Amino acid sequence: NAGVTQTPKFQVLKTGQSMTLQCAQDMNHEYMSWYRQDPGMGLRLIHYSVGAGITDQGEVPNGYNVSRSTTEDFPLRLLSAAPSQTSVYFCASSYASAGAGELFFGEGSRLTVL
Amino acid sequence: QQQVKQSPQSLIVQKGGIPIINCAYENTAFDYFPWYQQFPGKGPALLIAIRPDVSEKKEGRFTISFNKSAKQFSLHIMDSQPGDSATYFCAARGDIGADMRFGAGTRLTVKP
Repeated sequence: NAGVTQTPKFQVLKTGQSMTLQCAQDMNHEYMSWYRQDPGMGLRLIHYSVGAGITDQGEVPNGYNVSRSTTEDFPLRLLSAAPSQTSVYFCASSYASAGAGELFFGEGSRLTVL
Repeated sequence: QQQVKQSPQSLIVQKGGIPIINCAYENTAFDYFPWYQQFPGKGPALLIAIRPDVSEKKEGRFTISFNKSAKQFSLHIMDSQPGDSATYFCAARGDIGADMRFGAGTRLTVKP
């Protein structure tokens, strides 16, 4: 059972470089989201999507782009990486219907920006 | 500004103790309140969750107490074990497909 799969698990970037964090889920979930986890800050929502073709901003969207062309995939793009984007990134998914409940998380992607 | 406030930031108890972690929220539209457990190097995983129509829910050694009027909820871990050492996050969610907001997390250490 794959669940939510994130790649890569580790990445080091230089300031100004761009990259895409990949997220795929095989549970046919309508809702997908990206969080970043920083010490003492908990999990902060970056962007989310309630279905293919629909995305919206979360608490900390600046510096990140997303798209949702399929139900399964929800990539997160960093257009010009900054040291402040050094963090652990988690992708999560769930059903989007009423009483959606549990959010399922990937294993995380640790990003370091030098 | 975090919509869900969690305390304490860290907690150390002896084996068999009952750690209690507290959370408070402001948005009355929230209608689902889960607790997530995270081990180092892993993603958070659902531990237990409650909806506001009940005041308490137990699953094994884990209990959520919910106070709707005070807009507070807490996690109690009975007979805590060293294997319970992890970071715990409270969260809240409302509306259809709405985003979930998390507390800052509590790092729990259970000493043998």
